[in-house]
Amino acid sequence: AQSVAQPEDQVNVAEGNPLTVKCTYSVSGNPYLFWYVQYPNRGLQFLLKYITGDNLVKGSYGFEAEFNKSQTSFHLKKPSALVSDSALYFCAVRDRLNDYKLSFGAGTTVTVRA
Amino acid sequence: DTAVSQTPKYLVTQMGNDKSIKCEQNLGHDTMYWYKQDSKKFLKIMFSYNNKELIINETVPNRFSPKSPDKAHLNLHINSLELGDSAVYFCASSQGGAISGNTIYFGEGSWLTVV
Repeated sequence: AQSVAQPEDQVNVAEGNPLTVKCTYSVSGNPYLFWYVQYPNRGLQFLLKYITGDNLVKGSYGFEAEFNKSQTSFHLKKPSALVSDSALYFCAVRDRLNDYKLSFGAGTTVTVRA
Repeated sequence: DTAVSQTPKYLVTQMGNDKSIKCEQNLGHDTMYWYKQDSKKFLKIMFSYNNKELIINETVPNRFSPKSPDKAHLNLHINSLELGDSAVYFCASSQGGAISGNTIYFGEGSWLTVV
C-alpha cells in the first residue's frame, strides 16, 4: 500500500525567510510524487511533481522540491516566503504499480507572517 | 476558461434528500475522479473512471453512485443524504493512469452541508 506522511500540521515563517514543508512517502515500487496547494475555499492547485531524472524539481510560484530516495522524502521548499504563500499544502504519491490512485498526506498549513 | 468545473459550488440540503453534483472537464482527458475532503481536510479518493469505465471504487457506500455519460463528464449522485456526508467533494481529471506520471487536475470543489 502507498502512503504519505506530512509530519507537521503547521509551519509558521516570517516573510522573506525560507520555507520548508516536509513529506515522506512509502510505496512498493518507484513513486510519482506531487505537491498541491489549497487556498481557503478553493480547489487544489498543482505545484510540481517528480517523475524521474533530476532530483531537484522546480514548480510554480517559485517553489521547488527535492526527491531523496534513500530518505524516501520529497520536501517542498521556497527560498523566500511571501504572505500570499499562506495556504494548505498537500503532498501526494502515486505508485507506478497502482495506476490511478493518488494518495494524499494529511496536509500542512503554512502561515507566513508579514 | 475553467479546466475542471463542477456545480454546484455550495449545496445545503436536509437529511434524507437525494442530490447530484456535476463535473465537466475540457482538457481532453480520459480519466476522471471524485475525491472527498472531510472536516479535517483529509483527502480520500472515492471513484475513478477511465474512458467511462469504473476502475476505482474505494469502499464508498452504495448511496453514492457515479455516472460518466462520456469522457468529459463524471457526475456524482447521492441518495438518502446523511449528516456524515457533509464534506467538500472534488472532481478531478488526468490523461491516463500513473504510467506516464500525468498530473491530476482538480476542480474548485463542491461544499455539501447536510442539516
